[in-house]
Amino acid sequence: DIQMTQSPSSLSASLGDRVTITCGASQTISSSLNWYQQRPGKAPKVLIYAASTLQGGVPSRFSGSGSGTDFTLTISSLQPEDFATYYCQQSYITPWTFGQGTTVEIK
Amino acid sequence: QVQLQESGPGLVKPSQTLSLTCTVSGGSISSGNYYWSWIRQHPGKGLECIGYINNSGSTYYNPSLKSRTTISVDTSKSQFSLKLSSVTAADTAVYYCARVRSTWFDPWGQGTLVTVSS
Repeated sequence: DIQMTQSPSSLSASLGDRVTITCGASQTISSSLNWYQQRPGKAPKVLIYAASTLQGGVPSRFSGSGSGTDFTLTISSLQPEDFATYYCQQSYITPWTFGQGTTVEIK
Repeated sequence: QVQLQESGPGLVKPSQTLSLTCTVSGGSISSGNYYWSWIRQHPGKGLECIGYINNSGSTYYNPSLKSRTTISVDTSKSQFSLKLSSVTAADTAVYYCARVRSTWFDPWGQGTLVTVSS
């Protein structure tokens, strides 16, 4: 299985901060990388698919980049509703696998 | 818009079979070329894709769970189901159903906690 490793596992940030989360794959996955946001007690929601395409309705402060084995999710200006856990997921080879998550907390 | 809702027992005894159903509303499970999936999340941990099915009954199972997993679809009821046999405490998790949109999961159901305990 392809292992997905996210860093950091958690971070503390303030409103308005720029936040960057990285996701690394154990082998190349081209651009087959998706990002999800999970708020406490809720189901995950897709933010970005195919590494950099913003899902409809997702604020433009979210962006994704990368290809191959290294990927980044950036939140340009952190808002109150962005405090959540973020997961990456590869869809290059089955079984599709997820990263362990990055929790964004309020500083 | 399409919505998904999981249902089933919240408590299953060890060695028994976990059975869950996902009901799709706001759209037909038969429309579009979609797969319909089950994903689980162990308490406080990450996400694991269990498998998925299309409206023709074609399935994919995660090899780590394949020997114990059956996913089926009932298009007349706009439902698909998960059966996981011989459960242990390690199968305690929140179980989500989700539509597979190309190669990502969207939307998801709200999830249902299944506890394996005697």
